[in-house]
Amino acid sequence: DTEVTQTPKHLVMGMTNKKSLKCEQHMGHRAMYWYKQKAKKPPELMFVYSYEKLSINESVPSRFSPECPNSSLLNLHLHALQPEDSALYLCASSQGQGSSSGNTIYFGEGSWLTVV
Amino acid sequence: AQKITQTQPGMFVQEKEAVTLDCTYDTSDPSYGLFWYKQPSSGEMIFLIYQGSYDQQNATEGRYSLNFQKARKSANLVISASQLGDSAMYFCAMREGPNTGNQFYFGTGTSLTVIP
Repeated sequence: DTEVTQTPKHLVMGMTNKKSLKCEQHMGHRAMYWYKQKAKKPPELMFVYSYEKLSINESVPSRFSPECPNSSLLNLHLHALQPEDSALYLCASSQGQGSSSGNTIYFGEGSWLTVV
Repeated sequence: AQKITQTQPGMFVQEKEAVTLDCTYDTSDPSYGLFWYKQPSSGEMIFLIYQGSYDQQNATEGRYSLNFQKARKSANLVISASQLGDSAMYFCAMREGPNTGNQFYFGTGTSLTVIP
C-alpha cells in the first residue's frame, strides 16, 4: 500500500468551479511533487516543494495553484480549468532530491480529474 | 536527445514466463539513479526497483531484477515467472546527480500484457 494518500480519487468539475486536490504523506519526506499524466503518456512534472517551499514550477498555468501547509501536506487548488486539463494528477514525495536510493520518489494512487 | 528511451510500446508474455523490458539512458553525470515503476490501470505509480550508478551488482527485488550495463547505458527490467497481475504500464526513470541539477526523467513507458 502506498504511504502517499491522495483525495479525492475521482473529481468531476465544471469550468467555473473551484476545487482542491489533497495529498498527505507520513514518511518524513521533505520533497513533495505534483505531476499531471494524460492517458498512455509519462507523468509531467508540475511543481516541486522542498522543505515546504516551492522550488520548481514548470510553467504551469495560474489556474493551478499549489500549497504546502506543512511538511506532510500538499494541496493543488483548481480554478477555471479547461477540458484539456482532464487528466490523472499524481502526488509524490521523496526524502530529498539526490540520486541515491534513499531519495526514491513514492507516488500516491492519483486523483482522476474530469473537467466538463 | 532523449534522457530515457523505452523502445517497446507494447509487450506480450505468457504467464509464468520471464520478460525483459528495455531501457536506455543518456547522461553525462557520473552520479545517477535508475528506477522502474509499474502503473496498473487503476493509476497508482508503484516503485519497483532502484539501481545506483556506482552499484557493482545488479539490483534484485523479488521477481524483479535490473540488468544494468553501464557501458551500454542500459537498465533493462527482467520480470521472472510472470503473473496476470503484472499486466500494467512500466516506466523507466532516471534521477541525475548534483552536477546536472538532480533532474528526474521518465521514459515513455512499455505496456505489458500477460497472457493466461
